[in-house]
Amino acid sequence: DAGVIQSPRHEVTEMGQEVTLRCKPISGHNSLFWYRQTMMRGLELLIYFNNNVPIDDSGMPEDRFSAKMPNASFSTLKIQPSEPRDSAVYFCASSRPDNQPQHFGDGTRLSIL
Amino acid sequence: AQSVTQLGSHVSVSEGALVLLRCNYSSSVPPYLFWYVQYPNQGLQLLLKYTTGATLVKGINGFEAEFKKSETSFHLTKPSAHMSDAAEYFCAVSEGQAGTALIFGKGTTLSVSS
Repeated sequence: DAGVIQSPRHEVTEMGQEVTLRCKPISGHNSLFWYRQTMMRGLELLIYFNNNVPIDDSGMPEDRFSAKMPNASFSTLKIQPSEPRDSAVYFCASSRPDNQPQHFGDGTRLSIL
Repeated sequence: AQSVTQLGSHVSVSEGALVLLRCNYSSSVPPYLFWYVQYPNQGLQLLLKYTTGATLVKGINGFEAEFKKSETSFHLTKPSAHMSDAAEYFCAVSEGQAGTALIFGKGTTLSVSS
């Protein structure tokens, strides 16, 4: 079974640019989660989807952040415009309908200069 | 609201010594509890989970944890540390319903010396 696949693994871009992070969940998993990890704040939930529908986006820090899940096998997290304080590692995770534990991707390390 | 507190941001042990990483939680409903491990530049890997049933849970790599409802704790232990156990460990709680998010503790970095 392939795990959760995130791309890119690393992204370095300049402030003001649009950033798009991608996630492919494990096949058969119907819940998808986006987390952000920083030294200061640890692991924070940004948003999660059940059956492609956003359930809780209260963790999305600002309107600059948006997430979509157009189908069961793909999700994006977009930051526009990006700012240096958005620099972090962004993780995607997925889980099965019966709440088996979440499986995490290897993350995208984002640096905004 | 749920929360998780991990006591000690850094724990250092000698190889072969007991590992004890502490986790306390708060939850208004019966919790599901998890321990994850993160190695440098990698994602989180599940060590073990408690959902219902037996309160002593065994996981991978020789780790185990005990759910103590009266103490609202879920401490992680390993009888004998290996150098390869050096990593960051996260305790997490969820409400247990299908498709609910995890609330993570701040993490504990485990160092193992020879």
